[in-house]
Amino acid sequence: DQQVKQNSPSLSVQEGRISILNCDYTNSMFDYFLWYKKYPAEGPTFLISISSIKDKNEDGRFTVFLNKSAKHLSLHIVPSQPGDSAVYFCAATPIIQGAQKLVFGQGTRLTINP
Amino acid sequence: DAGVTQSPTHLIKTRGQQVTLRCSPKSGHDTVSWYQQALGQGPQFIFQYYEEEERQRGNFPDRFSGHQFPNYSSELNVNALLLGDSALYLCASSLETVYQETQYFGPGTRLLVL
Repeated sequence: DQQVKQNSPSLSVQEGRISILNCDYTNSMFDYFLWYKKYPAEGPTFLISISSIKDKNEDGRFTVFLNKSAKHLSLHIVPSQPGDSAVYFCAATPIIQGAQKLVFGQGTRLTINP
Repeated sequence: DAGVTQSPTHLIKTRGQQVTLRCSPKSGHDTVSWYQQALGQGPQFIFQYYEEEERQRGNFPDRFSGHQFPNYSSELNVNALLLGDSALYLCASSLETVYQETQYFGPGTRLLVL
């Protein structure tokens, strides 16, 4: 039972354009969502998060949008840069006291073309 | 300020053997979570340790066990290795708070079972 899904295994974007990565979830108990970026031979690096009380969170070139009714979130990267080429994972968790058990999607490989 | 460190970086074992992986959390963090990432998949939660006790556990058999030491470092032990245990094992650390904390990942240990 895949509770977090990233339906696009790969995405190719021109440098300078917008990259949009999508994520869907099924568990209505999830109310905190995170995006991680992963380079080969490294662990996932935290990018940005959003709580279910918000519908948008922005940090520099990265913006995450949350649509709770559709159980859908997206990560926008503007403008896209070659260093953004990596695998991006969406993760979700219910808010409970203390550290959460993260449920990850399968990942989307983003390639930024010069 | 050292981030999350893991050892060893790579490991080759044969079926039936036992393995121990180690993790040192980011400075100031007191909670350690372990994840298994199979090739082409997102990380899957194994278990989490806080105050030297297992607090949460994912859908993994009892062959997977762990320990947390008073200095917050942690070990993951896997007994009776199977070929399917070949994966990247990730450790993540965080600080016990009430709300919305972020987990920071180490580079992982790549385990190959032959």
